[in-house]
Amino acid sequence: DIVMTQSPDSLAVSLGERATINCKSSQSVLYSSNNKNYLAWYQQKPGQPPKLLIYWASRRESGVPDRFSGSGSGTDFTLTISSLQAEDVAVYYCQQYASTPYSFGQGTKLEIK
Amino acid sequence: QVTLKESGPALVKPTQTLTLTCTFSGFSLNTNGMRVNWIRQPPGKALEWLARIDWDNDKFYSTSLRTRLTISKDTSKNQVVLTMTNMDPVDTATYYCARIPTGSDVFDYWGQGTLVTVSS
Repeated sequence: DIVMTQSPDSLAVSLGERATINCKSSQSVLYSSNNKNYLAWYQQKPGQPPKLLIYWASRRESGVPDRFSGSGSGTDFTLTISSLQAEDVAVYYCQQYASTPYSFGQGTKLEIK
Repeated sequence: QVTLKESGPALVKPTQTLTLTCTFSGFSLNTNGMRVNWIRQPPGKALEWLARIDWDNDKFYSTSLRTRLTISKDTSKNQVVLTMTNMDPVDTATYYCARIPTGSDVFDYWGQGTLVTVSS
């Protein structure tokens, strides 16, 4: 099974500043056959289900603000929020979908400093 | 408009079997490539994927829970059912169902979740 590890567990960033969350997989989620990284990012606000932000490691879901971006390949990935807004306070999860069983990171709680 | 809604008991006793139903609309599990998953989240903890059922009735399970889980579908009712045997207090969680659409591999629509508490 692929284990996903996020860092940090929590993060406090000032409004308008950059927030960076890292995710590492225990084995590569890059498929050489199509050169795609099977890695997604989700945002979860209190009392709500997760919301898909990023898939294929760097492709934004429709309607997601462009301050959210994803990068990385193989086993190391990053979610960046370029200019933190108050509504971005949430827990963020990475998830691999390269193979079942699917797996999520432990989550990163993002707060305002 | 795609919607999913979980239903089932809010409280189960230890050793009992949990049965949860995901009732969905706006898509069909008869459609090639469509998949429905169950995912859970203990209070204050991370998401854990449990099971998936595909349009062609292929089924996939969590490695650690596979002996306790059964997933099934009733396409005529637009429902997916998850059963989990031998419930324990550590299984207390919000249980979500989520869709993977045709041509994709990510969870694009989620239900609101249903909280299941395991206690005597």
